[in-house]
Amino acid sequence: SQQGEEDPQALSIQEGENATMNCSYKTSINNLQWYRQNSGRGLVHLILIRSNEREKHSGRLRVTLDTSKKSSSLLITASRAADTASYFCATGLTGGGNKLTFGTGTQLKVEL
Amino acid sequence: NAGVMQNPRHLVRRRGQEARLRCSPMKGHSHVYWYRQLPEEGLKFMVYLQKENIIDESGMPKERFSAEFPKEGPSILRIQQVVRGDSAAYFCASSGPGSRIYEQYFGPGTRLTVT
Repeated sequence: SQQGEEDPQALSIQEGENATMNCSYKTSINNLQWYRQNSGRGLVHLILIRSNEREKHSGRLRVTLDTSKKSSSLLITASRAADTASYFCATGLTGGGNKLTFGTGTQLKVEL
Repeated sequence: NAGVMQNPRHLVRRRGQEARLRCSPMKGHSHVYWYRQLPEEGLKFMVYLQKENIIDESGMPKERFSAEFPKEGPSILRIQQVVRGDSAAYFCASSGPGSRIYEQYFGPGTRLTVT
């Protein structure tokens, strides 16, 4: 699998439900970031979590990081139709400079 | 505070022509990154630049591709003699100084189509 691989590839839920997306990676990281991309648009930065952090919150978003399992999760609570988008995790590697390595993304669809 | 600006948003080139993609980072940001996204895929890192310097070009194809970030003006990603396989969305990102250096903010992208 690739560095920064999201699971599931696609997720369809009803408005108001919670959505959880997972990301696994292989090598040691400095930080992990989550981005949202609406169809045909650029990426919107959601949240950054550093390797020495375990959990971070931002509004309806909650991100966890487990460096022992090399995995992260993004939880979106009380989802809305406007949350429909692709979500990518990106890792900043230890000793890798500032470049980010992206996964293939999770496509989230929130239905009314 | 304007975000990262990219132009053009869409670019159509015939095989063999040159493509020039421009990126203006966010105000106060001196670090610029270029990524490429093929359809249905994640972004792939191409190059990282600071003013007048290429810091990391490990993701750049060895031929036909070049990037610059001059002292004045936008960063330019240049693709010479384009081929159909160059068709993709090219995204630029920028980051700021100090502790915020790892947070990259992306522009809307340039969608290149090679016919």
